[in-house]
Amino acid sequence: GQQVMQIPQYQHVQEGEDFTTYCNSSTTLSNIQWYKQRPGGHPVFLIQLVKSGEVKKQKRLTFQFGEAKKNSSLHITATQTTDVGTYFCAGPGADSWGKLQFGAGTQVVVTP
Amino acid sequence: NAGVTQTPKFQVLKTGQSMTLQCAQDMNHEYMSWYRQDPGMGLRLIHYSVGAGITDQGEVPNGYNVSRSTTEDFPLRLLSAAPSQTSVYFCASSPSVPGTQPQHFGDGTRLSIL
Repeated sequence: GQQVMQIPQYQHVQEGEDFTTYCNSSTTLSNIQWYKQRPGGHPVFLIQLVKSGEVKKQKRLTFQFGEAKKNSSLHITATQTTDVGTYFCAGPGADSWGKLQFGAGTQVVVTP
Repeated sequence: NAGVTQTPKFQVLKTGQSMTLQCAQDMNHEYMSWYRQDPGMGLRLIHYSVGAGITDQGEVPNGYNVSRSTTEDFPLRLLSAAPSQTSVYFCASSPSVPGTQPQHFGDGTRLSIL
């Protein structure tokens, strides 16, 4: 079945530094979504990418969808303590209409 | 705006007990789903519903039942609790198929089975 993998699992970042987290699917995705979950909280929708090669920005966050629509990345510039949390990517199953397949997430810890 | 409301927020059960986790949404969303979240495993789909009266199994349905009698409510029932069901449970809703629309999550229910 479809698998959605995220790397790295953990990311320790010094405040002010940049980092990137990656999401890879074993199958082609029609679109991909990204969510953020703060410690003790619930996942919150960040963005959806649909087109091959699409790039979207939200302030210091840059999201990219791969040309083959099998991978995606989230790049955070000048990391702040407010970026702490776990970032999940999720894609619709190719053979499972109505289901969303989540990656295991990248847990981000920011050191002041 | 209440959004997606889950009750209870915390629960401790003994092995073999049954209980129902409640989920209600006030956004008139057709699609609702239940996930469990375990450390290092992300969110795994338990059951989902594409509308009142229609439910289907997700990735990890064993030991859980659901029903959808109204658009607003989607309760999750644990039939006979087992320690392996200790987890954080999230209910989510979206206007339509979640792959095309963002999902709105509740605050979660933290469940411990002793």
